[in-house]
Amino acid sequence: SQQGEEDPQALSIQEGENATMNCSYKTSINNLQWYRQNSGRGLVHLILIRSNEREKHSGRLRVTLDTSKKSSSLLITASRAADTASYFCALSGTYKYIFGTGTRLKVLA
Amino acid sequence: DGGITQSPKYLFRKEGQNVTLSCEQNLNHDAMYWYRQDPGQGLRLIYYSQIVNDFQKGDIAEGYSVSREKKESFPLTVTSAQKNPTAFYLCASTREFNQPQHFGDGTRLSIL
Repeated sequence: SQQGEEDPQALSIQEGENATMNCSYKTSINNLQWYRQNSGRGLVHLILIRSNEREKHSGRLRVTLDTSKKSSSLLITASRAADTASYFCALSGTYKYIFGTGTRLKVLA
Repeated sequence: DGGITQSPKYLFRKEGQNVTLSCEQNLNHDAMYWYRQDPGQGLRLIYYSQIVNDFQKGDIAEGYSVSREKKESFPLTVTSAQKNPTAFYLCASTREFNQPQHFGDGTRLSIL
């Protein structure tokens, strides 16, 4: 399958802790994007990392990409209850995006 | 504010009925996409359109149809041939491929 695989499937942490989720894939990519989805809502784009980049930051988010291992990770630092959501990686290949299975993050206040 | 509007938010389909989900964007984006999301799952691509009057099948197009007569609009019809239509349907757009996608807030379709 070309689908990205994310782990863990679910993650529960305390407010203030860091959350790390991983995405592995099998195809070659142009870039990899991370999205967030609150329950019952559409996806919101968080960050895009190009295939020739290794690390990118945006506020409390840090994304890494290792194209040799075909994997990416999303780190959310100092998590807040409002970060509770599902997080998806999306691979940008040829004319379409392939979404991962998602990580459900729950941040306990 | 620019964005994508999906309607209705909830939709119920009777046996043998075709239903149409609306997706409108005012972002002036060329490319538009339809995805299906089942509970606890990722998104699967149904159809996509890179330009007006052109569209391509995605990974799970059977039982669905689309049109792209206007840049702003990309309606999805769930036909009676789709035997398991219960899902959350998401529409997205992007200015050009490889750029971030903007999503609507989805339509939840159920069978009566």
